[in-house]
Amino acid sequence: GAVVSQHPSRVICKSGTSVKIECRSLDFQATTMFWYRQFPKQSLMLMATSNEGSKATYEQGVEKDKFLINHASLTLSTLTVTSAHPEDSSFYICSASRSGTGNYGYTFGSGTRLTVV
Amino acid sequence: QQQVKQSPQSLIVQKGGISIINCAYENTAFDYFPWYQQFPGKGPALLIAIRPDVSEKKEGRFTISFNKSAKQFSLHIMDSQPGDSATYFCAASLNRASKLTFGTGTRLQVTL
Repeated sequence: GAVVSQHPSRVICKSGTSVKIECRSLDFQATTMFWYRQFPKQSLMLMATSNEGSKATYEQGVEKDKFLINHASLTLSTLTVTSAHPEDSSFYICSASRSGTGNYGYTFGSGTRLTVV
Repeated sequence: QQQVKQSPQSLIVQKGGISIINCAYENTAFDYFPWYQQFPGKGPALLIAIRPDVSEKKEGRFTISFNKSAKQFSLHIMDSQPGDSATYFCAASLNRASKLTFGTGTRLQVTL
């Protein structure tokens, strides 16, 4: 089946530093990847949609200069949280959509718990 | 127009019972309705999904019922087990490449 690998699973960083989260589709090509943010006991909030080779589309209210998304290949997308602050602490989850099939292939990564101290 | 409303917020069911979670949507252009299961500290995992051209889909103990005219769909978990204790999210999307709109989630607890 389709597998999406997300790393790291947990990261603690100091306020003001940047953190990069990787999302890889291991056995399929992902033309579209989605990045979500989830606060405790809440639903997933879509942050941005990225298509391979083009700029990401950010949801309203998401700072594109703070949450940098790169989708350089059909198997890798990265989210960089720049100049992180404690309020950026959250659970970040990526999702990849398969290309070239008749299926609606949304596969989620296992998530990254970011703690900014 | 893009909202998906989910209820109940939490649910306690005895082992062997039926768990029922309901969702309602507004946008009639939605074309795909999946249900996800999420355990603490993990990403969501697809349980079962349905397209609007069918009224019911069953996979093992999980069944989706879909009412297109009422713009509602529900998840039924038969013979609920303690291992089913998790948070369940319904979702909807416009097409295969479109973003998912999630419901607010239901925390299910299955007691012995």
